[in-house]
Amino acid sequence: DVKVTQSSRYLVKRTGEKVFLECVQDMDHENMFWYRQDPGLGLRLIYFSYDVKMKEKGDIPEGYSVSREKKERFSLILESASTNQTSMYLCASSLSAGGQDSYEQYFGPGTRLTVT
Amino acid sequence: GESVGLHLPTLSVQEGDNSIINCAYSNSASDYFIWYKQESGKGPQFIIDIRSNMDKRQGQRVTVLLNKTVKHLSLQIAATQPGDSAVYFCAEGRDDKIIFGKGTRLHILP
Repeated sequence: DVKVTQSSRYLVKRTGEKVFLECVQDMDHENMFWYRQDPGLGLRLIYFSYDVKMKEKGDIPEGYSVSREKKERFSLILESASTNQTSMYLCASSLSAGGQDSYEQYFGPGTRLTVT
Repeated sequence: GESVGLHLPTLSVQEGDNSIINCAYSNSASDYFIWYKQESGKGPQFIIDIRSNMDKRQGQRVTVLLNKTVKHLSLQIAATQPGDSAVYFCAEGRDDKIIFGKGTRLHILP
């Protein structure tokens, strides 16, 4: 079974802090994704990566950055956390780009981040 | 703007009955349409998908129907069970990304 793990289930940070959310997958997937999930808005794509050291902006990249130094690990960084970044953050991975496999994404359990 | 949306935010179904969850989409350029299920406290889980050149696909107890003429997608769950209680998301697959709808909560009545 594919396993996608996220470093924390719950996180509380103060405004202005730098926040790191870590995601690790164990199935050698090329693609990795970061979403945020908010009530009434569904899942929105923040950033994604097709390969090591590669990143692409999603629909709402502002205020976030990412890092992918190793294939299995994809980190989301909030350079200076703000209260409007309070949300559920979900990481996902999928097989290589260019086909049906790309759309079968495997999700982690999520990190609920609260910024006070 | 382009969007994937759902007709109803909440659907209540008697245990044992069939469930039908509907979805409208607006971008005819999408390659795939996918259904995800999200149980409380968990990340979304892939259920089934359908290519844009198909109109029906069946899985175990689930069927997805695609009507490209009216840009409508539906998920049918046969003999609904308590374990089917979750939020269901329809999604469009395009350029290796997924655009999610806002979700429908399926509530199972005993």
